[in-house]
Amino acid sequence: DVKVTQSSRYLVKRTGEKVFLECVQDMDHENMFWYRQDPGLGLRLIYFSYDVKMKEKGDIPEGYSVSREKKERFSLILESASTNQTSMYLCASRARSLGNLASYEQYFGPGTRLTVT
Amino acid sequence: SQQGEEDPQALSIQEGENATMNCSYKTSINNLQWYRQNSGRGLVHLILIRSNEREKHSGRLRVTLDTSKKSSSLLITASRAADTASYFCAMSQGAQKLVFGQGTRLTINP
Repeated sequence: DVKVTQSSRYLVKRTGEKVFLECVQDMDHENMFWYRQDPGLGLRLIYFSYDVKMKEKGDIPEGYSVSREKKERFSLILESASTNQTSMYLCASRARSLGNLASYEQYFGPGTRLTVT
Repeated sequence: SQQGEEDPQALSIQEGENATMNCSYKTSINNLQWYRQNSGRGLVHLILIRSNEREKHSGRLRVTLDTSKKSSSLLITASRAADTASYFCAMSQGAQKLVFGQGTRLTINP
């Protein structure tokens, strides 16, 4: 079974703090993703990575950065947390696609509910 | 980027009834996937339908895809209390990304 783990289920941080959210997958997947989920807005892609040290911006990258030093680990960094970054953060991984006809399912971690006060 | 529109936003039915959720999207897709999310948890993949398929079944799930109308539906037959969750459609955008709809919150009443 694919397992995607996230470092914390719940996290409370203060405005201006630097925040690290860690995600680890155990299936040797090339692709990893960070989303945030807010009521009424669904899941929005923050960043994704298709290989070690490779990253691409998603739809809402502002205020975030990422790091992928090892294949199994993808970190999301909030350089200076703000209250509007209070949200549920979901990490996902997926095997590499073999062309457009084979876009495989994404496997999600349990999520980190971050509160910035 | 496109986003899926799901309808209804919330659905409440009695156990044993069928539940139907709809998803519409704006541009061409490679495939469309459905995910389930139990309260406060991550998403779990349910089923994938490719753009050249019209219908697909998996257990009590039936998914249809109408590319001419840019819409998909998810039918859950003989619903159970354990089906209570939020359901999301997700459109494959290129070879890498998925774009998710806003979700339908399904409640099954015993």
